[in-house]
Amino acid sequence: EAQVTQNPRYLITVTGKKLTVTCSQNMNHEYMSWYRQDPGLGLRQIYYSMNVEVTDKGDVPEGYKVSRKEKRNFPLILESPSPNQTSLYFCASSLPPTPGNEQFFGPGTRLTVL
Amino acid sequence: EDQVTQSPEALRLQEGESSSLNCSYTVSGLRGLFWYRQDPGKGPEFLFTLYSAGEEKEKERLKATLTKKESFLHITAPKPEDSATYLCAVQGDSSYKLIFGSGTRLLVRP
Repeated sequence: EAQVTQNPRYLITVTGKKLTVTCSQNMNHEYMSWYRQDPGLGLRQIYYSMNVEVTDKGDVPEGYKVSRKEKRNFPLILESPSPNQTSLYFCASSLPPTPGNEQFFGPGTRLTVL
Repeated sequence: EDQVTQSPEALRLQEGESSSLNCSYTVSGLRGLFWYRQDPGKGPEFLFTLYSAGEEKEKERLKATLTKKESFLHITAPKPEDSATYLCAVQGDSSYKLIFGSGTRLLVRP
């Protein structure tokens, strides 16, 4: 089954404790992306990757890191999480983001930073 | 700066009562405008891509249209299962970022 998987689905952590949210897709997609979703603010793009070893900042990259060492994986790293990073996070993938190539979204990771 | 504004924030309809959702956008060169549906607790699900003014696309009870400044998602004779949040997003030609609006929460009552 074609899908984007994220782990963990739920995470409660404390300020400053480094964490990684994994994202994996099995569709051989070049483009992968991370978003955060907050009430009233909609989905905001954090980072995206056009292909292996190619990443670029979205609209809200501060406090996050990503890497793309393999085509199927695109982990999101919070080196020193803070409470304002409490949010619902989505990973997405697609063929090259030319028009018409829909993004497939993962199920989401709900992160709480205390 | 690329921007997307959706209205209304929330919409309540009776089953069978047709209506439209609006997505206004500002972008320097539109590469594509996207509509997604999101159910509670789930990731967004792709509906349509529109490329240029005048274009229309349909899927069951949904029809998306595009002008140079806005897009409409028309819902004809909605059913309770159409209840969801509908998201609009644009991609400009200056980068591969996607800019999303904050969505319209649609509730269709039986």
